[in-house]
Amino acid sequence: SQQGEEDPQALSIQEGENATMNCSYKTSINNLQWYRQNSGRGLVHLILIRSNEREKHSGRLRVTLDTSKKSSSLLITASRAADTASYFCATAPSPNRDDKIIFGKGTRLHILP
Amino acid sequence: NAGVTQTPKFQVLKTGQSMTLQCAQDMNHNSMYWYRQDPGMGLRLIYYSASEGTTDKGEVPNGYNVSRLNKREFSLRLESAAPSQTSVYFCASSLDSLNEQFFGPGTRLTVL
Repeated sequence: SQQGEEDPQALSIQEGENATMNCSYKTSINNLQWYRQNSGRGLVHLILIRSNEREKHSGRLRVTLDTSKKSSSLLITASRAADTASYFCATAPSPNRDDKIIFGKGTRLHILP
Repeated sequence: NAGVTQTPKFQVLKTGQSMTLQCAQDMNHNSMYWYRQDPGMGLRLIYYSASEGTTDKGEVPNGYNVSRLNKREFSLRLESAAPSQTSVYFCASSLDSLNEQFFGPGTRLTVL
């Protein structure tokens, strides 16, 4: 399977600092997606980056994709307490493959006051 | 719009009991999914429905059955619950299999 694997598994930073999470995957993709999950809630989609894109921004979020290294990173700038959550990457397979979107195990982000 | 709704929110079963988890979406999405989430395991796909009338096994289908009742509804059935099925279950939907998924609030199931 082409499971995305996030790194690190857990991250604690001070409020106001930037947080960077990484995702690596194994096979070719159509796109890669990042999701956030607050404790006890369902996942919420944050951003989708297609295989022909290298960088994408959404508010304080910046996502990069390097298909040659099969990796992506999610940067959250100027972190806030409300950013405390788990973050998951999910890889969507290239067309015509019989694979489904697969989620990684997530990075737990804790913003310290 | 309610998005993706799931019922029930909580359930406790005894080993061997059966139950059906309900899921509905009002976004006219073609694809629907059932996941389970266990500590340290991330999300694992149980079953998937690319479109009305079709279903497909995911990573962990054993012990479960699904029904895509119509475009809106996708139910998950446990015929004979086992303690290993204690988990949080999420339903999700998307326009198609490559697009962003929208998740329901989850069902917390405990099997004693």
